[in-house]
Amino acid sequence: ETGVTQTPRHLVMGMTNKKSLKCEQHLGHNAMYWYKQSAKKPLELMFVYSLEERVENNSVPSRFSPECPNSSHLFLHLHTLQPEDSALYLCASSQGGGAARYSEQFFGPGTRLTVL
Amino acid sequence: GQNIDQPTEMTATEGAIVQINCTYQTSGFNGLFWYQQHAGEAPTFLSYNVLDGLEEKGRFSSFLSRSKGYSYLLLKELQMKDSASYLCAVKDSNYQLIWGAGTKLIIKP
Repeated sequence: ETGVTQTPRHLVMGMTNKKSLKCEQHLGHNAMYWYKQSAKKPLELMFVYSLEERVENNSVPSRFSPECPNSSHLFLHLHTLQPEDSALYLCASSQGGGAARYSEQFFGPGTRLTVL
Repeated sequence: GQNIDQPTEMTATEGAIVQINCTYQTSGFNGLFWYQQHAGEAPTFLSYNVLDGLEEKGRFSSFLSRSKGYSYLLLKELQMKDSASYLCAVKDSNYQLIWGAGTKLIIKP
């Protein structure tokens, strides 16, 4: 595997379900990100793990819970979601810290989430 | 607040040239990025500008004017495969990316 991978690619869940999205990066980066992409809206940054420190967007509802067990893996745990949470969830990684703060982010293919 | 503006949709003809504009108002500036995103796929990095001027990379060029809060992406010799969304993003004073909503580019034969 190369680059950034995400599983599953598609997910349909009910509002009472609990599910998790998985992201793995094979680029040796030390920063990972979760984004939400809704149609015709800017990418919304949900969570950042950089140099093992979590940076949150305070507007993200608590029904989304991230987990970053190491620098290569990132999870997004989902519970009691709402239909408006239906979107494409993108994971990205980059090299963080120092001059690398200017570096680009590499994205996974995303998980298309539908909440019924 | 922080804001990135770019046109929602543009149409161009195969073989022609198209310019996609991006204006920004952010708290601090640490560079501007352009990404390409084909439908159903991941965004992929195209270019990075941190100093004023034009950066050329093959058929694609990106321009930046920091004093005007303005950038454009220039695509030459358009091909059908260039049909995609083009995302403009700025790194703010905290090195976080602020994204525009993207410009959907439609290429017609």
